[in-house]
Amino acid sequence: AQKITQTQPGMFVQEKEAVTLDCTYDTSDPSYGLFWYKQPSSGEMIFLIYQGSYDQQNATEGRYSLNFQKARKSANLVISASQLGDSAMYFCAMREGQNFGNEKLTFGTGTRLTIIP
Amino acid sequence: DTAVSQTPKYLVTQMGNDKSIKCEQNLGHDTMYWYKQDSKKFLKIMFSYNNKELIINETVPNRFSPKSPDKAHLNLHINSLELGDSAVYFCASSTRIEIQETQYFGPGTRLLVL
Repeated sequence: AQKITQTQPGMFVQEKEAVTLDCTYDTSDPSYGLFWYKQPSSGEMIFLIYQGSYDQQNATEGRYSLNFQKARKSANLVISASQLGDSAMYFCAMREGQNFGNEKLTFGTGTRLTIIP
Repeated sequence: DTAVSQTPKYLVTQMGNDKSIKCEQNLGHDTMYWYKQDSKKFLKIMFSYNNKELIINETVPNRFSPKSPDKAHLNLHINSLELGDSAVYFCASSTRIEIQETQYFGPGTRLLVL
């Protein structure tokens, strides 16, 4: 079974609109972390936002927020007021367990977001 | 003042050669990783080291050998390169402080085996 599922291979969004990128996860571990990364066409992986499984509030970082619904095992990324520079691949990832040093990330297949002027 | 750096950025080589990719982080993190991103953009972990000790070793051919001379460096040596090794290799480092954790990636090394 897929541990991280991103069901939207591609999305087109008008500039200045908000966009939600879907991510569902599967784990039986009570301690886990959820990450979102942006990969522009230049290829680097840019850390955007993190949500811990025990965090009570949804994480926010500037225009990025993470809509964390624990019971549904979803961790959608919301980008407000999208900009042309937001066009990129977006990856959702999960870290399971709490053994320090063993925090490997399992990645989803990504969503290619294109912002239309 | 790059946080996680990798060299080289591009590597083009012939099948059968041996090559190394270097990674350095100046973030003071204890844990470092190698990930492989294939042509379909799928990212998968290969190795992780914590304080120079190998922690994670996924099912990677033993032609791949990581080496960590100190906790700021994690190099990847690949013997007898094959066509299927062509990919982007990312180094990363991580830390966890209380409830916040981050995992930062290097710029990637684009390996093309001809």
